[in-house]
Amino acid sequence: AQSVTQLGSHVSVSEGALVLLRCNYSSSVPPYLFWYVQYPNQGLQLLLKYTTGATLVKGINGFEAEFKKSETSFHLTKPSAHMSDAAEYFCAVSGGGYQKVTFGTGTKLQVIP
Amino acid sequence: DAGVTQSPTHLIKTRGQQVTLRCSPKSGHDTVSWYQQALGQGPQFIFQYYEEEERQRGNFPDRFSGHQFPNYSSELNVNALLLGDSALYLCASSLVRGTGDTEAFFGQGTRLTVV
Repeated sequence: AQSVTQLGSHVSVSEGALVLLRCNYSSSVPPYLFWYVQYPNQGLQLLLKYTTGATLVKGINGFEAEFKKSETSFHLTKPSAHMSDAAEYFCAVSGGGYQKVTFGTGTKLQVIP
Repeated sequence: DAGVTQSPTHLIKTRGQQVTLRCSPKSGHDTVSWYQQALGQGPQFIFQYYEEEERQRGNFPDRFSGHQFPNYSSELNVNALLLGDSALYLCASSLVRGTGDTEAFFGQGTRLTVV
């Protein structure tokens, strides 16, 4: 069984400030971990993913995330927020292969000018 | 490359009716998964199709059924619609054969409103 917990349903940051979105997971098998972004009335776009190997994963639009097995965490960060980063972000976990993807409840990021 | 395409984009149905949603996967992908995203929620897994068979199913009633065609496209059918079925329905395609990497590409979704 797998599950994802995203801490904070809403996060507000100032433009240019650090973005930190928190995600903890639970998985009975080695996890594949993902971050997706969703803009209003849009589908989901993959920001980055961790499968195996390097635990610091770099994604699109300047985002990165670090897989910490000991903490069962996969937090998403970006050094400097842009207005265009305002969206909803979903953390997700999978068992790999053809396994289904389980999503968290999402974090809405607001960027204040 | 067209990516994952879903049709229609919006749909309004009456309670008790039946609806069919369609999905064409990204070129080269062989697996299609369907998700339901209620307002303010994360996507919930409905089921997954691979080689024209339902491989996995989430916690959804039998009113939700699907099909995958030889060209890998897929349909989601929902019978006896309830008001609670109103949601964004997302289709995701991936390639399982070979590496087994499940990076899923999502379509824009179909917004279903049941009145």
